[in-house]
Amino acid sequence: NAGVTQTPKFRILKIGQSMTLQCTQDMNHNYMYWYRQDPGMGLKLIYYSVGAGITDKGEVPNGYNVSRSTTEDFPLRLELAAPSQTSVYFCASSYILNPNYGYTFGSGTRLTVV
Amino acid sequence: AQKVTQAQTEISVVEKEDVTLDCVYETRDTTYYLFWYKQPPSGELVFLIRRNSFDEQNEISGRYSWNFQKSTSSFNFTITASQVVDSAVYFCALSEASYGQNFVFGPGTRLSVLP
Repeated sequence: NAGVTQTPKFRILKIGQSMTLQCTQDMNHNYMYWYRQDPGMGLKLIYYSVGAGITDKGEVPNGYNVSRSTTEDFPLRLELAAPSQTSVYFCASSYILNPNYGYTFGSGTRLTVV
Repeated sequence: AQKVTQAQTEISVVEKEDVTLDCVYETRDTTYYLFWYKQPPSGELVFLIRRNSFDEQNEISGRYSWNFQKSTSSFNFTITASQVVDSAVYFCALSEASYGQNFVFGPGTRLSVLP
């Protein structure tokens, strides 16, 4: 199993540009999440999804959009990039809230907005 | 509301010393899950442990051990005989069973193990 795959690993954007961060999981997980990690900080939840067609905002959703058309994919869209969105973005997934299952994270996307 | 506090921002120890990383959490749920993740300099998040709120047994895995105390809302992590490879940022996290999306991380503790 590949687990959670994020692409790209690195990206530099100019202010005002848009881009989509891709996230795919092959574990048939219901829940998927997008987090951002600012330098020296913990992770903050941007958006999450509890299943295909269902998404909701997390703690810091402004400036982002998501969609969940399939169980496997959960892309994160930045429409008008701003320097405040410079961060490392992590996608994660989980099956159900069963103690035998945990959260699996992708390897992260490092985004710089200049 | 959920909250995870890791009061130690940075810790430095010399190799072979024992070190304890503190984690204090807040939740209104009776069913919740606690986690520790390691983030080495390479940046990925490595899962270390998951505990549920009904299991207060301490756990040991090699040089790692965890002390879960509901009475003090703490889930502390101890590394015995630390090694340079243990140098990383360690995150404590909390998930409430009734709100699966609320997987809240603490700010992390940066551990530096010096040779």
